[in-house]
Amino acid sequence: DAGVIQSPRHEVTEMGQEVTLRCKPISGHDYLFWYRQTMMRGLELLIYFNNNVPIDDSGMPEDRFSAKMPNASFSTLKIQPSEPRDSAVYFCASSLGGSNTEAFFGQGTRLTVV
Amino acid sequence: GENVEQHPSTLSVQEGDSAVIKCTYSDSASNYFPWYKQELGKGPQLIIDIRSNVGEKKDQRIAVTLNKTAKHFSLHITETQPEDSAVYFCAAIGNQGGKLIFGQGTELSVKP
Repeated sequence: DAGVIQSPRHEVTEMGQEVTLRCKPISGHDYLFWYRQTMMRGLELLIYFNNNVPIDDSGMPEDRFSAKMPNASFSTLKIQPSEPRDSAVYFCASSLGGSNTEAFFGQGTRLTVV
Repeated sequence: GENVEQHPSTLSVQEGDSAVIKCTYSDSASNYFPWYKQELGKGPQLIIDIRSNVGEKKDQRIAVTLNKTAKHFSLHITETQPEDSAVYFCAAIGNQGGKLIFGQGTELSVKP
């Protein structure tokens, strides 16, 4: 398996624009996580899914953020409208959950909002 | 919910010395404690983990200890090498199943 695949790797956008980050989890993994990493706040859990169902979105900072998982092999994190303070590295991770809970991370998407 | 505190935030050691990173957690129901290593420009990668039914686990130069009573766990790296330089994160899974909560990270620098 190629691991967790995120796209794009880098994204530069203007304030106010819509941004969509994409993630393909490892096949067979039941859990999918979206994290945001900044120098100030470290790794923050935004939302996670179990079997494509959102379980906890309490980390989503504002209504401008939304995430979907239409099927077991694809998830998106959308920011609309984007703001400069959204600039960060966004990671997607997947795991089997349960007794085997190692989370495998993608390479991340570095988002810069200017 | 779960809260994980990690110390120190930065750690500098000489090659060959040992490094110790400590974490505390708040949720007594937490039962899984992984450690992740993040190299520059990459996502975090699991290096070792421990479950609540054991007190210590070792894998070559890396060991983790867990004290459930005190709710703290530590990462020990012996005979450090320059390639150990990275940011290390501890984490815990709380009683909500798959929700993994990370500590703030420790930037380890191993000087040749």
